[in-house]
Amino acid sequence: QKEVEQDPGPLSVPEGAIVSLNCTYSNSAFQYFMWYRQYSRKGPELLMYTYSSGNKEDGRFTAQVDKSSKYISLFIRDSQPSDSATYLCAMNYGGATNKLIFGTGTLLAVQP
Amino acid sequence: ETGVTQSPTHLIKTRGQQVTLRCSSQSGHNTVSWYQQALGQGPQFIFQYYREEENGRGNFPPRFSGLQFPNYSSELNVNALELDDSALYLCASSRPSGGASSATQYFGPGTRLTVL
Repeated sequence: QKEVEQDPGPLSVPEGAIVSLNCTYSNSAFQYFMWYRQYSRKGPELLMYTYSSGNKEDGRFTAQVDKSSKYISLFIRDSQPSDSATYLCAMNYGGATNKLIFGTGTLLAVQP
Repeated sequence: ETGVTQSPTHLIKTRGQQVTLRCSSQSGHNTVSWYQQALGQGPQFIFQYYREEENGRGNFPPRFSGLQFPNYSSELNVNALELDDSALYLCASSRPSGGASSATQYFGPGTRLTVL
């Protein structure tokens, strides 16, 4: 079993839709939870990070962490064609070596 | 603020050869991590460097090695290349240990390595 599971998609939605992206994880020691956006053949771009459980909002993006269920989500409101990319969830333990454990990524396509 | 830069952008090698990839960290960051991303997969942690020393390693064989220099830039060296080494190699920089500032890592554009 992988430490972090993420549905690879692809997920296709019409412009303006609300998008929900999710990851589950198995290790309760994870402390920090991040979402990265990766355009084709580019490096991942940090969108949001959250410490422990709770919600965090930044513009059209909302990140949620539910540590009791070992489940994290990213919501995108009013999705735009420019949001079309692969979305990667990542987590780490917050220790001295802050290695990130990634999901496989979900490919999102927002249709105009 | 200068972002993370990597060179070269693309590289083609043959099996058995050796390769060196380079990374310059973001301004103010002294910790560098390297990741391997195979096609259709999430990045996999190779190792991390802090103060010119290896500070954690993932499940990669010893033929993957690295260096960090006093200016915090870093190199990834891979010896005896295998076909499965074909991937996007990503460098990420962060601030030193502890808390959200070190948990958040900023990635460069990557080097795409093809092994024939």
